[in-house]
Amino acid sequence: RKEVEQDPGPFNVPEGATVAFNCTYSNSASQSFFWYRQDCRKEPKLLMSVYSSGNEDGRFTAQLNRASQYISLLIRDSKLSDSATYLCVVAGYNQGGKLIFGQGTELSVKP
Amino acid sequence: NAGVMQNPRHLVRRRGQEARLRCSPMKGHSHVYWYRQLPEEGLKFMVYLQKENIIDESGMPKERFSAEFPKEGPSILRIQQVVRGDSAAYFCASSPGDQDTQYFGPGTRLTVL
Repeated sequence: RKEVEQDPGPFNVPEGATVAFNCTYSNSASQSFFWYRQDCRKEPKLLMSVYSSGNEDGRFTAQLNRASQYISLLIRDSKLSDSATYLCVVAGYNQGGKLIFGQGTELSVKP
Repeated sequence: NAGVMQNPRHLVRRRGQEARLRCSPMKGHSHVYWYRQLPEEGLKFMVYLQKENIIDESGMPKERFSAEFPKEGPSILRIQQVVRGDSAAYFCASSPGDQDTQYFGPGTRLTVL
């Protein structure tokens, strides 16, 4: 079983749509959770950290369910510029900060 | 404040040659991480270093790969006797502390002919 698993994708949606990505992780000791975005296999860029209370940044909302070991990302009113691969990432407290990446889910927003 | 710098951005080697990838962390960052992304795959952790110390190399292949982060100068990822399967994008990330946000460099794309 992979340490971090994501929806297989790709997701093809029209502009303005709401899209949700899901992710599960296997290590219950994981302490930090993130969504990164990667464009055309360039360097990953931090989109947002994910907290147990849930957090929102503009059109983006992230949720964490520790009991289910489940992380989600919701994108509202999607834009063409949101087209990218979204990476679910976890880190463990005793793992020195090394990041464990999911495979990534590709999103394509069409006009 | 310049971001994480990596060079070269593209590197072509023939089988059996050595590849040296360099990473200069952001100013003030003393923690460096190397990740590898094989074609059609996700990023995989390789090694975590602080100045002059390897903290975690659990993701490094047992042979041919080594990394260092000297007191002065960039971190170096060295691959000896490269094979075609080493072709990948190698990303470096840095952070000020081990639990802090990691910032990624643009990567080095290694192609082994």
